[in-house]
Amino acid sequence: ILNVEQSPQSLHVQEGDSTNFTCSFPSSNFYALHWYRWETAKSPEALFVMTLNGDEKKKGRISATLNTKEGYSYLYIKGSQPEDSATYLCAFEAGNNRKLIWGLGTSLAVNP
Amino acid sequence: NAGVTQTPKFQVLKTGQSMTLQCAQDMNHEYMSWYRQDPGMGLRLIHYSVGAGITDQGEVPNGYNVSRSTTEDFPLRLLSAAPSQTSVYFCASRRRTGVGTQYFGPGTRLLVL
Repeated sequence: ILNVEQSPQSLHVQEGDSTNFTCSFPSSNFYALHWYRWETAKSPEALFVMTLNGDEKKKGRISATLNTKEGYSYLYIKGSQPEDSATYLCAFEAGNNRKLIWGLGTSLAVNP
Repeated sequence: NAGVTQTPKFQVLKTGQSMTLQCAQDMNHEYMSWYRQDPGMGLRLIHYSVGAGITDQGEVPNGYNVSRSTTEDFPLRLLSAAPSQTSVYFCASRRRTGVGTQYFGPGTRLLVL
């Protein structure tokens, strides 16, 4: 059974703090790793799709790194703002059938 | 492009009723999926399709049917609604080949009494 784990489960930070979360996934049968941002009462929105070991992607204050050999990805948010409050999901895309296997997410709350 | 659309946005059913949740996409994506989202459970895959005429079960398929007669449409049918099917349902689509983002519809909130 393929398992994707995210930590921490939830996080409360102050405005201006930088923070990071972890996504752990199987190190075999890897095709891609997806990061999504999910605000309450909305649908998940894609942040990054990463495929290469050592890859680093950036969108504004948010960046992500990928280590496929050890099976983990980090998501970083620099200078958190209240509008960053959301659940951040990662999904492992398996190489044999291209299914997405989802983690349970990290819930981030940024206090003004 | 409208992206992924879902109807209805909200529905109340009585136990035993049947209904169809509609999903359509205009991005010519081969891969379409239905998920349900429940508190503490994350996104769980109900059914998916890799192209017109092809469907397969996800991790929680019981009580649901799907069909894929066209590339654009992927309806989800509840055969006989049960309170355990109260949930938020998301349809999603992406390309089948190459690396691609999965796009989600706005969701359908279903309450079964």
